Amino acid sequence: DQQVKQNSPSLSVQEGRISILNCDYTNSMFDYFLWYKKYPAEGPTFLISISSIKDKNEDGRFTVFLNKSAKHLSLHIVPSQPGDSAVYFCAASASGGNTGKLIFGQGTTLQVKP
Amino acid sequence: DAGVTQSPTHLIKTRGQQVTLRCSPKSGHDTVSWYQQALGQGPQFIFQYYEEEERQRGNFPDRFSGHQFPNYSSELNVNALLLGDSALYLCASSWDRRYGYTFGSGTRLTVV
Repeated sequence: DQQVKQNSPSLSVQEGRISILNCDYTNSMFDYFLWYKKYPAEGPTFLISISSIKDKNEDGRFTVFLNKSAKHLSLHIVPSQPGDSAVYFCAASASGGNTGKLIFGQGTTLQVKP
Repeated sequence: DAGVTQSPTHLIKTRGQQVTLRCSPKSGHDTVSWYQQALGQGPQFIFQYYEEEERQRGNFPDRFSGHQFPNYSSELNVNALLLGDSALYLCASSWDRRYGYTFGSGTRLTVV
């Protein structure tokens, strides 16, 4: 049972344009969502997170949007840069303490072309 | 400030053997989680340790066990290795999920 799904295995955008990565979830108990970026031979790097009490969170070029009714979140990268090329994972956590296990999606490979 | 340190980086084992992977969390972090990432998949939660006790466990068999030491470092043990255990094993540490989980670079385990 895949509770977190990233239905697009890959995405290619031009440098300077917007990248939009999507993620869907099924478990209503999830109350915290995170995006991670992963380069080859490295561990995932935390990018940005959002609590279920919010619908938007921004950090520089990265914005995460949460639509709870649709159980959908998206990561917007504006403007996209070649260095953003990596695998992006969305992850979700349920309540039950400050730290909970993360449920990851399958990942989306982003390629930003110069 | 050192992040999460994992050792070894690569490991080759024979089916049926046992393996121990090690993790040192980021300074100030008291919670350690272990994940298995198969090729082309997202990381799958194995278990989490806090105050030297297993606090949560994912859907992994008892062949997977762990330990957390008083200095918060942790070990992942896998017994009776199967070919399907070949994967990247990631350790993540945290102290408050609002600030994210810091991952190590992982241990690439190959079972032959």
